[in-house]
Amino acid sequence: QKEVEQNSGPLSVPEGAIASLNCTYSDRVSQSFFWYRQYSGKSPELIMSIYSNGDKEDGRFTAQLNKASQYVSLLIRDSQPSDSATYLCAVKRRNSGYALNFGKGTSLLVTP
Amino acid sequence: GAVVSQHPSWVICKSGTSVKIECRSLDFQATTMFWYRQFPKQSLMLMATSNEGSKATYEQGVEKDKFLINHASLTLSTLTVTSAHPEDSSFYICSASGTSAFEQYFGPGTRLTVT
Repeated sequence: QKEVEQNSGPLSVPEGAIASLNCTYSDRVSQSFFWYRQYSGKSPELIMSIYSNGDKEDGRFTAQLNKASQYVSLLIRDSQPSDSATYLCAVKRRNSGYALNFGKGTSLLVTP
Repeated sequence: GAVVSQHPSWVICKSGTSVKIECRSLDFQATTMFWYRQFPKQSLMLMATSNEGSKATYEQGVEKDKFLINHASLTLSTLTVTSAHPEDSSFYICSASGTSAFEQYFGPGTRLTVT
């Protein structure tokens, strides 16, 4: 079982719709979770971090965490073509300082 | 805040030569820096973790004698690819932590092509 799993996509949504990206992780004691956005040919950019069960909102982005079910999701409201990118889910490694385990990413395509 | 720079942004070198890539945290002190490699259409692969003033911790399968990492200060880490070969051609990205809450901030990456 991979440590962090994401559907590779592509996930295609029309402009203005809500994009829902999901991630599951295997280590049930994980405490820190992150979403990064990566445009083609560029490095990842931190979107959000979440540490507690429930929802965390930042502008058009909402991260949701359910530790009992070991999943974390990212909702993008009012999706724009500029949101088209690969979204990486990352989970802090246990007993490893600041190191993160990354999923393979979900490709999102927002169509005009 | 939390800006990380990398230099060079791209480099082409001949097989057998060495290449040094610099990673700097510009507006914070990075207690830990990370080096990743990413091949086309694949995810990030962590190569090593470095803490200022101590030896880097390499991931399994990464040759420490080939990928030399130095973290001499709280704002600078370097990765040297020694005796580069075409299979080392990749996108190398550094990241840094030190602000708070385990967040990592990535540099813009260095695209290495070995001919």
